[in-house]
Amino acid sequence: GQSLEQPSEVTAVEGAIVQINCTYQTSGFYGLSWYQQHDGGAPTFLSYNGLDGLEETGRFSSFLSRSDSYGYLLLQELQMKDSASYFCAVIYNQGGKLIFGQGTELSVKP
Amino acid sequence: ETGVTQTPRHLVMGMTNKKSLKCEQHLGHNAMYWYKQSAKKPLELMFVYNFKEQTENNSVPSRFSPECPNSSHLFLHLHTLQPEDSALYLCASSQGIAGVSYEQYFGPGTRLTVT
Repeated sequence: GQSLEQPSEVTAVEGAIVQINCTYQTSGFYGLSWYQQHDGGAPTFLSYNGLDGLEETGRFSSFLSRSDSYGYLLLQELQMKDSASYFCAVIYNQGGKLIFGQGTELSVKP
Repeated sequence: ETGVTQTPRHLVMGMTNKKSLKCEQHLGHNAMYWYKQSAKKPLELMFVYNFKEQTENNSVPSRFSPECPNSSHLFLHLHTLQPEDSALYLCASSQGIAGVSYEQYFGPGTRLTVT
């Protein structure tokens, strides 16, 4: 199957920490990417997990557990500019194509 | 600025028109992609090109016809579209199948409205 599940909406306040989960059911799984898309803008790459564990890039971290078919994106010290949609995307062994989740709309409130 | 440009940014066309979308990447990548993004839906992969060769057609209707004359340019030719084809069409590029295709660089998209 090619099902990816992530919450549709998340709301948090400035300065807080938020975690966006992604579960997947795909055969030939190779890795998990995360993308950010501001309203009306282009998706931009945030992070990639090919191995289990945590990858940290500044205020953003991403985690993968292959055994649980689960990953998450962690955003710390939230800022208003972090309000955007966040997509998890699974990469296959063959072809390298990305299958995107539905996206999580994050709203950061003052 | 991502290094991937798309023109036009907005397009309104009738169902009997023929139009083309253009994408250009200035990143030296070897793979290029077309995606469709409809409201409240995930990005849907349409086509993949590697080294100018089409390697993926994700069951896209023939009214969408891609063309990749070289590794830097990608076109999407449109004809006899339907209103449900109205969407944001995104182009992306990456370093190719054997490379870091998990990291794709997207253009700003063409907002297409079919009337």
